[in-house]
Amino acid sequence: EDKVVQSPLSLVVHEGDTVTLNCSYEVTNFRSLLWYKQEKKAPTFLFMLTSSGIEKKSGRLSSILDKKELFSILNITATQTGDSAVYLCAVLSGTYKYIFGTGTRLKVLA
Amino acid sequence: GAVVSQHPSWVICKSGTSVKIECRSLDFQATTMFWYRQFPKQSLMLMATSNEGSKATYEQGVEKDKFLINHASLTLSTLTVTSAHPEDSSFYICSARFSGGLGQPQHFGDGTRLSIL
Repeated sequence: EDKVVQSPLSLVVHEGDTVTLNCSYEVTNFRSLLWYKQEKKAPTFLFMLTSSGIEKKSGRLSSILDKKELFSILNITATQTGDSAVYLCAVLSGTYKYIFGTGTRLKVLA
Repeated sequence: GAVVSQHPSWVICKSGTSVKIECRSLDFQATTMFWYRQFPKQSLMLMATSNEGSKATYEQGVEKDKFLINHASLTLSTLTVTSAHPEDSSFYICSARFSGGLGQPQHFGDGTRLSIL
């Protein structure tokens, strides 16, 4: 059965800390891995990764994929209170099926 | 960035009512739209995938007669929860993927919180 597992489930840090969120997967017909940030409403897109070893970066956020070991990490440096959210990892299996992990709930304290 | 509009944001209605939720891609054509359901503090569960002009593909365990999906154009998909009951109360989120296909991420609407009394 396809599955996506995220860790940790929950994380509390102070502003300025760096965090690393993990996503491992066992999925047939892997196409891509996506990271989303969900605050109160629907998820907003962060990154899409298809190739191993190529880091994607946007401001203080970066992500990388390892297709051999079947995982991805999302790094957030110099965290701010506005980074508090649930971070979701999803894997596209085949053409249409997105499988989501349960998410990592991040809280950044001032 | 890509914008997906979902309407309404919140619905409260009596048991037995049918509720229609609209999902529109505002600035791009979406060949494929997805409908998800999310329970509190849980992740998104894919309910169905709809392709413009064809029947939706439902995930196992999702009743297609209960959750009617129509994808009549490249910018609009609707989900109708028929004869809703309290157990249907949930957060429903749609997403749309650009016609470019697999190389494009899906973009989400803001979700509809459905409460059935």
